[in-house]
Amino acid sequence: AQSVTQPDIHITVSEGASLELRCNYSYGATPYLFWYVQSPGQGLQLLLKYFSGDTLVQGIKGFEAEFKRSQSSFNLRKPSVHWSDAAEYFCAVGDYTGGFKTIFGAGTRLFVKA
Amino acid sequence: EPEVTQTPSHQVTQMGQEVILRCVPISNHLYFYWYRQILGQKVEFLVSFYNNEISEKSEIFDDQFSVERPDGSNFTLKIRSTKLEDSAMYFCASSRGQGAANEKLFFGSGTQLSVL
Repeated sequence: AQSVTQPDIHITVSEGASLELRCNYSYGATPYLFWYVQSPGQGLQLLLKYFSGDTLVQGIKGFEAEFKRSQSSFNLRKPSVHWSDAAEYFCAVGDYTGGFKTIFGAGTRLFVKA
Repeated sequence: EPEVTQTPSHQVTQMGQEVILRCVPISNHLYFYWYRQILGQKVEFLVSFYNNEISEKSEIFDDQFSVERPDGSNFTLKIRSTKLEDSAMYFCASSRGQGAANEKLFFGSGTQLSVL
């Protein structure tokens, strides 16, 4: 079955430091992969997505993610974190069995310290 | 950017009561979804809806749940007899087309349901 694993429940980084959030997926075919962000009291906002082509994907707010098929990973990165980036981040895979639905990871809570 | 609107933002109910969670998807969207997130757990797919019928549903979406698009703008999730374990954040989502390739899934800000 399709699944997404985010091994880090929470991460703390200093403002201005670089960030990498880990994501591993399990999917039989070429995956459609997503990163979403959820700020407190807000819905889920799409940061970026990968379907095919260039394995390095650029998203909004300065985020990028790299698809590595050999490692079944889709890690999210940002070179310099801002305090406003503190939020919950969800990696997800698109599942086309049956209709279409999104399978989410458990999320990683990002804390940013001054 | 267009938004998916959910009301209410918080709903408190007694166990065994019926609740209706409301969503207004983006106006030109055709596919609608409900997801839920129990505190501290994953966001889970509940149901997808297209052309006035359910396209797919998860194991969670049992006979106590139903969805409806009553008037062409609203998309509702009804829980007939709530249980304590139904307490969760419920997210509505919509997309113009099905599938991830060329479509963006827009999520609402959620309704926090608390069953006492």
